[in-house]
Amino acid sequence: DAKTTQPPSMDCAEGRAANLPCNHSTISGNEYVYWYRQIHSQGPQYIIHGLKNNETNEMASLIITEDRKSSTLILPHATLRDTAVYYCIVSRAPSFSSGSARQLTFGSGTQLTVLP
Amino acid sequence: EPEVTQTPSHQVTQMGQEVILRCVPISNHLYFYWYRQILGQKVEFLVSFYNNEISEKSEIFDDQFSVERPDGSNFTLKIRSTKLEDSAMYFCASRDFHNEQFFGPGTRLTVL
Repeated sequence: DAKTTQPPSMDCAEGRAANLPCNHSTISGNEYVYWYRQIHSQGPQYIIHGLKNNETNEMASLIITEDRKSSTLILPHATLRDTAVYYCIVSRAPSFSSGSARQLTFGSGTQLTVLP
Repeated sequence: EPEVTQTPSHQVTQMGQEVILRCVPISNHLYFYWYRQILGQKVEFLVSFYNNEISEKSEIFDDQFSVERPDGSNFTLKIRSTKLEDSAMYFCASRDFHNEQFFGPGTRLTVL
């Protein structure tokens, strides 16, 4: 799986958009970009994923550059409860034919602190 | 909303003792995982399980570890002879044919 690079920490004012960058310059064509977060020692929580198109769900938006070498997770209106470590992970989808379960490889992530 | 559950939430054991950590994955999921996180460190993959057998395992998952899906609902991680360095949060996760993994709340294992 491709390696990712994220800033170790970021601050964001409550109510403002939080934009979390991720570099994945060695991503290959069949690898997805996943974002998870971990709120203080709880289990990681899935946020969003994408292959090459921008994606949006009820939690966040994911913007992937055209060359797919970087992406940005956007939390449109950050709240105090969004304070967490955010992980950008690149991985292929699970394969039924090979039985490969495609585990996630977590890096250090970005500690996002939402300030009141 | 369905969720992954884990028991116990906290397990304290003596070095050399066997422990079994239990997980109930989401019912229609096909892939099951164990991860661990030593305090202050990264989340590390231990093992994945698919079609009633281990799919992949990491270097951490040595002969002291085993996994089992005994009854079609539970998914267990056994550590045969615990060491001090096994102290960590252990997370179970599961997924269906979609990409996202759903994680449980974790079991904090403390080895004394």
